Amino acid sequence: DIQMTQSPSFVSAFVGDRVTITCRASQGIDNWLAWYQQKPGRAPKLLIYAASTLQPGVPSRFSGSGFGTDFTLTISSLRPEDFATYYCQQANFFPWTFGQGTKVEIK
Amino acid sequence: QVQLVESGGGVVQPGRSLRLSCAASGFSFRSYGIHWVRQAPGKGLEWLAAVSYDGSDKYYADSVKGRFTISRDNSKNTLYLHMNSLRADDTAIYYCAKEKERVGTFDHWGQGTLVTVSS
Repeated sequence: DIQMTQSPSFVSAFVGDRVTITCRASQGIDNWLAWYQQKPGRAPKLLIYAASTLQPGVPSRFSGSGFGTDFTLTISSLRPEDFATYYCQQANFFPWTFGQGTKVEIK
Repeated sequence: QVQLVESGGGVVQPGRSLRLSCAASGFSFRSYGIHWVRQAPGKGLEWLAAVSYDGSDKYYADSVKGRFTISRDNSKNTLYLHMNSLRADDTAIYYCAKEKERVGTFDHWGQGTLVTVSS
């Protein structure tokens, strides 16, 4: 199975900060990588798919990059509504797997 | 609009069985792969199972292979998860999720149904 490792596990940041989360796959997954945002008590929400394509309706302050094994999610200027947990997910091979999550909290 | 509504969760004793359902509306259900994903209390997301658009292909996580069965009824726009030999570590919120076509991701999720395995 492909292991997805996110770092950091926890980020404490101010509104307006630039935040970058990384996700590393244990083997190459081309660009079969998605990012989700989850708020407490809610289902995850798709932000980015195919490593760098923004899901319609998602603000442009979110961006993704990477190919192969190393990927990043960047929030260019953190807003209050962005405080949440973020997950990466690979879909190159079954079983599809998620990263362990990165919690973004207000400093 | 796309809606996925899970049902069937509840409290069940270890070793017993349970069937979850996911009722879909607002899209052509028979055209998309659908998955189950779960989240244990305070933990991350765990992909469990997938079924192709026509039900011909099924995939499972090792943690549930042989115990859980995914199925779908395209005439009823409904997805199922049959869960046998339930264990305490199966306690979680269970979500159904629709695949976004050909990009290997989930563009719509249900609200989840809580399964608690406890004696």
